[in-house]
Amino acid sequence: DAMVIQNPRYQVTQFGKPVTLSCSQTLNHNVMYWYQQKSSQAPKLLFHYYDKDFNNEADTPDNFQSRRPNTSFCFLDIRSPGLGDAAMYLCATSSLVRSSTDTQYFGPGTRLTVL
Amino acid sequence: GDSVTQMEGPVTLSEEAFLTINCTYTATGYPSLFWYVQYPGEGLQLLLKATKADDKGSNKGFEATYRKETTSFHLEKGSVQVSDSAVYFCALSARRALTFGSGTRLQVQP
Repeated sequence: DAMVIQNPRYQVTQFGKPVTLSCSQTLNHNVMYWYQQKSSQAPKLLFHYYDKDFNNEADTPDNFQSRRPNTSFCFLDIRSPGLGDAAMYLCATSSLVRSSTDTQYFGPGTRLTVL
Repeated sequence: GDSVTQMEGPVTLSEEAFLTINCTYTATGYPSLFWYVQYPGEGLQLLLKATKADDKGSNKGFEATYRKETTSFHLEKGSVQVSDSAVYFCALSARRALTFGSGTRLQVQP
């Protein structure tokens, strides 16, 4: 089945220790998104890639970076995790042509714990 | 800017009760509207969507109708089950971004 895969499902890191979360997709969608979701809150968009074009949200901290080496994979790097970065991180994809909208499909998420 | 308002939870119902979760939106243009469901510890699953006024989205017994005149997209189900217990998010999509409501937790008791 075509899908969005996130690894690992659970990640524990230490305060200040860089961490990378992974997302892959078999949907061949051209747009990939990263969201942060804290407990009992709605997901908050951090950034997205439209093809190879990176689009950062204005309020996303510099501590959060992303890479998309090819269509299928996208990575979220947290350079120096703080306790406030503990959250569920959700990857999503969609298939967009310019000036249209389409459905976003989400992966299962990675739960990040910062000790 | 765009925004979505949905009813506060938790909503607690008995099995086989009728469900309504209210959702209203503010947006420029003609957004697409979505309901996503999130089970504990999981990502978001698309439940249903509607892309233009008067469209009705439906899936797994859930329905929602895109009402442009009242800017609403209320979620309904005629008979809920314990397995429907989850958090439900209403969202709109304009251009590339999804704008979510705050989520409504549904608890269904046997």
